Amino acid sequence: ETGVTQSPTHLIKTRGQQVTLRCSSQSGHNTVSWYQQALGQGPQFIFQYYREEENGRGNFPPRFSGLQFPNYSSELNVNALELDDSALYLCASSRRTEVTGGYTFGSGTRLTVV
Amino acid sequence: AQSVTQPDIHITVSEGASLELRCNYSYGATPYLFWYVQSPGQGLQLLLKYFSGDTLVQGIKGFEAEFKRSQSSFNLRKPSVHWSDAAEYFCAVGDVRSSASKIIFGSGTRLSIRP
Repeated sequence: ETGVTQSPTHLIKTRGQQVTLRCSSQSGHNTVSWYQQALGQGPQFIFQYYREEENGRGNFPPRFSGLQFPNYSSELNVNALELDDSALYLCASSRRTEVTGGYTFGSGTRLTVV
Repeated sequence: AQSVTQPDIHITVSEGASLELRCNYSYGATPYLFWYVQSPGQGLQLLLKYFSGDTLVQGIKGFEAEFKRSQSSFNLRKPSVHWSDAAEYFCAVGDVRSSASKIIFGSGTRLSIRP
């Protein structure tokens, strides 16, 4: 079975721009969660998608938004980028009923905002 | 509020020595607990998890963790570390009481191995 794949692996954006990050969930997983990991910190929960709808959100502003598609893949969009948005963005997938079984994480997208 | 504390930011041990990484959690119910490992530039890999039952759980790569409810702790141990164990280790708690069942991470402990 394939794991969680994220693209791109790295990208550099300018402050004020918009960015879209992509995630393909593991086969059989219908729930996708996004995390932001700043340098030297633990991952922080951004939001979760289930059945193509946002299913919960952490303490992130509305300029962080997402989508989930019928094949359970997902996108994270960030508008009006700020320097503090520079981080590793991790996507995790799980089965909805087994979310507490631990997530399967992708390798992440390293975003640098200059 | 649910939270996880990893009091040690950085630990260095000699190859072959034993290891214990500390983790304390705050959660108002029976916790779901996890340990993840992250190699440089990589995502997170699940080492082990605890839901209920035996308080000593075995994981991959020779790691184990012990759940102590009285101390709100879930410390990770390994009897003999290898140079390949150098990585960042995250303790986490599963929050199943909010609208989104999510995993809350600690700030991590960086493990270095002395040859």
